[in-house]
Amino acid sequence: KQEVTQIPAALSVPEGENLVLNCSFTDSAIYNLQWFRQDPGKGLTSLLLIQSSQREQTSGRLNASLDKSSGRSTLYIAASQPGDSATYLCAVGDTGRRALTFGSGTRLQVQP
Amino acid sequence: DGGITQSPKYLFRKEGQNVTLSCEQNLNHDAMYWYRQDPGQGLRLIYYSQIVNDFQKGDIAEGYSVSREKKESFPLTVTSAQKNPTAFYLCASSIDRGGTEAFFGQGTRLTVV
Repeated sequence: KQEVTQIPAALSVPEGENLVLNCSFTDSAIYNLQWFRQDPGKGLTSLLLIQSSQREQTSGRLNASLDKSSGRSTLYIAASQPGDSATYLCAVGDTGRRALTFGSGTRLQVQP
Repeated sequence: DGGITQSPKYLFRKEGQNVTLSCEQNLNHDAMYWYRQDPGQGLRLIYYSQIVNDFQKGDIAEGYSVSREKKESFPLTVTSAQKNPTAFYLCASSIDRGGTEAFFGQGTRLTVV
């Protein structure tokens, strides 16, 4: 059974710092990996989608990488801002059942 | 505007009652999903549907039921058999089950009183 782990569970940084969030998964038979943002009490907003054949995706200040063979993905946030404060969730799409399996998230706080 | 609409936003249930959570999408997506989120945790898959009139159990289907009679709609019923139903419920959809991006609704917070 696929298991997804996100480290760290929580992170607090001063505004302007570059930071990296980590995601690891146990089964490399995935068809994609997706990073989401969740604000308190809200639904999920899709940030980046990486297909299994891709190594990275970029959107603005965000860059996500995927190393399927080692079961790892990172989300890089450049020049962090207080508005980036949220929980970031990593999810992998299993080739078996074709549905996303989620990690527990990293709660990010960017201090002004 | 295209998107996924979940209703109600807040729902209160008495012990022993069944309640139904609504999920509607106008994105013309084939695949739809229900997830449950408990405080401080990630999402766990309850049920998913790849096509109308077909659905599969996820990791925590016990005490829940679904139907998929229309492409746009995937309602979730929380039955009295679900022992700990208080949670945040999220509905999602994707174009198909072939690796496309998933989009989520704003969630329904269910509380047992």
